[in-house]
Amino acid sequence: DQQVKQNSPSLSVQEGRISILNCDYTNSMFDYFLWYKKYPAEGPTFLISISSIKDKNEDGRFTVFLNKSAKHLSLHIVPSQPGDSAVYFCAASGAGTGNQFYFGTGTSLTVIP
Amino acid sequence: DAGVTQSPTHLIKTRGQQVTLRCSPISGHKSVSWYQQVLGQGPQFIFQYYEKEERGRGNFPDRFSARQFPNYSSELNVNALLLGDSALYLCASSLGGLGNYGYTFGSGTRLTVV
Repeated sequence: DQQVKQNSPSLSVQEGRISILNCDYTNSMFDYFLWYKKYPAEGPTFLISISSIKDKNEDGRFTVFLNKSAKHLSLHIVPSQPGDSAVYFCAASGAGTGNQFYFGTGTSLTVIP
Repeated sequence: DAGVTQSPTHLIKTRGQQVTLRCSPISGHKSVSWYQQVLGQGPQFIFQYYEKEERGRGNFPDRFSARQFPNYSSELNVNALLLGDSALYLCASSLGGLGNYGYTFGSGTRLTVV
């Protein structure tokens, strides 16, 4: 039972353009969401978060949008850089989730120079 | 300042054996969580410990157990290994509970069961 879904296993974008990574969730109790970035042979690195009281959070080139009614969030990277090439995971938690984050299956982003 | 450290980095075990994985959290972090990441999947929650007490348990069999020590380091034990236990095991630390900034993950232990 996958409560957090990333339906695009991979994405390729030209350097300087926008990368949009999408994530859907099914549990309406989720109220806190994060994006992690993972390079090969490293653990996931926290990127940006958003709570359900907001619909947008920005941090430099990274912006996360949350659409609670659609149970959908997205990560925008502008402008994309080759160093952004990695696997991106979205994760969610909320009341009654047992002190855990539920992760999606990841989207592998390749930024082409 | 050291991040989350895990040992060993790689491990090969035979079916039926037992394994112990170790994790040292970031200094000052009192919570440690363990996740299993199978190839092609996202991390799956196994356990969370806070102040040496189990605060959360995922949907894993009793062959999986963990503990947290007074210095907040942690061990994950897996008994009677199965081929399906082959995965990257990630340890994550946070100041307390889930934290407002998520976790800081270690680089993981790659376990291969043959």
